[in-house]
Amino acid sequence: AQSVTQPDIHITVSEGASLELRCNYSYGATPYLFWYVQSPGQGLQLLLKYFSGDTLVQGIKGFEAEFKRSQSSFNLRKPSVHWSDAAEYFCAVDAEEYGNKLVFGAGTILRVKS
Amino acid sequence: EPEVTQTPSHQVTQMGQEVILRCVPISNHLYFYWYRQILGQKVEFLVSFYNNEISEKSEIFDDQFSVERPDGSNFTLKIRSTKLEDSAMYFCASSANSPLHFGNGTRLTVT
Repeated sequence: AQSVTQPDIHITVSEGASLELRCNYSYGATPYLFWYVQSPGQGLQLLLKYFSGDTLVQGIKGFEAEFKRSQSSFNLRKPSVHWSDAAEYFCAVDAEEYGNKLVFGAGTILRVKS
Repeated sequence: EPEVTQTPSHQVTQMGQEVILRCVPISNHLYFYWYRQILGQKVEFLVSFYNNEISEKSEIFDDQFSVERPDGSNFTLKIRSTKLEDSAMYFCASSANSPLHFGNGTRLTVT
């Protein structure tokens, strides 16, 4: 069965520091990959997605993610974190054969210290 | 930018009662979904809906759950007889194909 692992439950970074959130997936082929962000009391907002092509994808709010097939990873990065980035981040996989049924990771809570 | 809207934002109900969670998907989208997130757990797929019928459902989506598109704009999730373990955040989503656009969720509390 498809699965998504986000190994870090919590991450704390200083404002202005760089950020990398890890995501590994388990699936035989190349799935569609997504990162969503959830601010407190809010819904899930799409940050970026990877379907095919260039393995480095750019998203909103200055985020990017790199798909590495050899590592089954899709890590999220941001070069300089802002206090407003504090939220929970979810990696998700769409195995396509299941018709847009996303499998989510457990999430990583990002805290930003000033 | 068009949004998926969900009402109410928070619903409290007693065990055994019926609840209906409402969603207005993005207007030109054809695929509709419900997901849920129990506090502290992963977001889980419940059901997908296309062309006025369920296209897929998870093991969670048992006979107590039903979905309906009663008119051209609303998409509802009904829980017939709520249980304590139904307490969760319920997210509606819609898509034209991919990706999914999620609403802000309805927090259901069953007491």
